[in-house]
Amino acid sequence: DVKVTQSSRYLVKRTGEKVFLECVQDMDHENMFWYRQDPGLGLRLIYFSYDVKMKEKGDIPEGYSVSREKKERFSLILESASTNQTSMYLCASSFHQMNTEAFFGQGTRLTVV
Amino acid sequence: KQEVTQIPAALSVPEGENLVLNCSFTDSAIYNLQWFRQDPGKGLTSLLLIQSSQREQTSGRLNASLDKSSGRSTLYIAASQPGDSATYLCAVKRIQGAQKLVFGQGTRLTINP
Repeated sequence: DVKVTQSSRYLVKRTGEKVFLECVQDMDHENMFWYRQDPGLGLRLIYFSYDVKMKEKGDIPEGYSVSREKKERFSLILESASTNQTSMYLCASSFHQMNTEAFFGQGTRLTVV
Repeated sequence: KQEVTQIPAALSVPEGENLVLNCSFTDSAIYNLQWFRQDPGKGLTSLLLIQSSQREQTSGRLNASLDKSSGRSTLYIAASQPGDSATYLCAVKRIQGAQKLVFGQGTRLTINP
């Protein structure tokens, strides 16, 4: 059974803190993605990675960075958390081939106070 | 730019009914279309993946169709049950776009016992 696991379901952080969101997949997928989901705005891509140490910006990368040191793990970093980064964060993974299915984690609800 | 629209935004039906959810997209240059289910506060669960060369896919009580030329997909749910209550999202993978999924806003479905 395919599995994408996000390290936390809920997080509360203070403004200005450095925040790490972790995602691990056990399917040997090359591609990994970070999305955020907000009411009325839907899902928006923050960053994705198509290989270890490789990354590309998505639609809304400002205020975020990512790290992919191992194939199975993709981390999203909020360098200095702000209240407008309060959101649901979703990690996904897929094989590199274009016609393959994407699988999502259970989501992390981040609140920045 | 690819835009994905799901109508209606919300739907409420009595248990046992057959129903259809709609998804339309503006650019037919896609690799595939994927339907997801999202329960409140949770991540996305993949339901069906339709490749651009396919017309439909079935899984249990779910049947998804794809008409790429007209930019439409439908998700048919037979004999609906209260456990089907969730938000249903469709997403397309564009041929141009670095494997990014473009999501609709979703249809929030409520099945009344």
